[in-house]
Amino acid sequence: AQSVAQPEDQVNVAEGNPLTVKCTYSVSGNPYLFWYVQYPNRGLQFLLKYITGDNLVKGSYGFEAEFNKSQTSFHLKKPSALVSDSALYFCAVRDRGSGTYKYIFGTGTRLKVLA
Amino acid sequence: DAGVIQSPRHEVTEMGQEVTLRCKPISGHDYLFWYRQTMMRGLELLIYFNNNVPIDDSGMPEDRFSAKMPNASFSTLKIQPSEPRDSAVYFCASSLAQGFTGELFFGEGSRLTVL
Repeated sequence: AQSVAQPEDQVNVAEGNPLTVKCTYSVSGNPYLFWYVQYPNRGLQFLLKYITGDNLVKGSYGFEAEFNKSQTSFHLKKPSALVSDSALYFCAVRDRGSGTYKYIFGTGTRLKVLA
Repeated sequence: DAGVIQSPRHEVTEMGQEVTLRCKPISGHDYLFWYRQTMMRGLELLIYFNNNVPIDDSGMPEDRFSAKMPNASFSTLKIQPSEPRDSAVYFCASSLAQGFTGELFFGEGSRLTVL
């Protein structure tokens, strides 16, 4: 069965410091991996995705994520955090071998960037 | 493009009443999803459509919930009769399949409160 784990409910980081939001996944086949961000009272917005190729994926707003197949992880990173990055972040996975279009979402990690 | 449009943004109703939530997907997208978000259960996939045809409704909680997509530009999610435990934010999302690699585009959500 597919699953996604976001082990931290909340991550606090000082403005200007690097940030990491963790995600690990479990699928029977090879994954498509996604990160979304949700600001208060808004819908989720797509940040980036890993489909194939280079393990380091760059996305919107300076975010990037690294696909690590051996550790089944897809951590979200940013070199220098901004207060405006404070939001709820979701990791999602789709099993490319499943033949379905169902995403599995993690429970979300609340990022708080402190000024 | 205006993005995914949902209405109403807020709905307050009394237990037993019928609720209809509406969604207009992004033009040209061939998949449409209905999600429900609550603090307790996070993001839950209720149902998704491909080319207006329901593909997987296994997430629909019970017979009180129904969803339709009469054409490519409109979908509804109906709850009849509504109950307090249905209180949640309901999101519609659309996607272009791109071989199952396409990301989701979410609407702003419909916040439902059932008293």
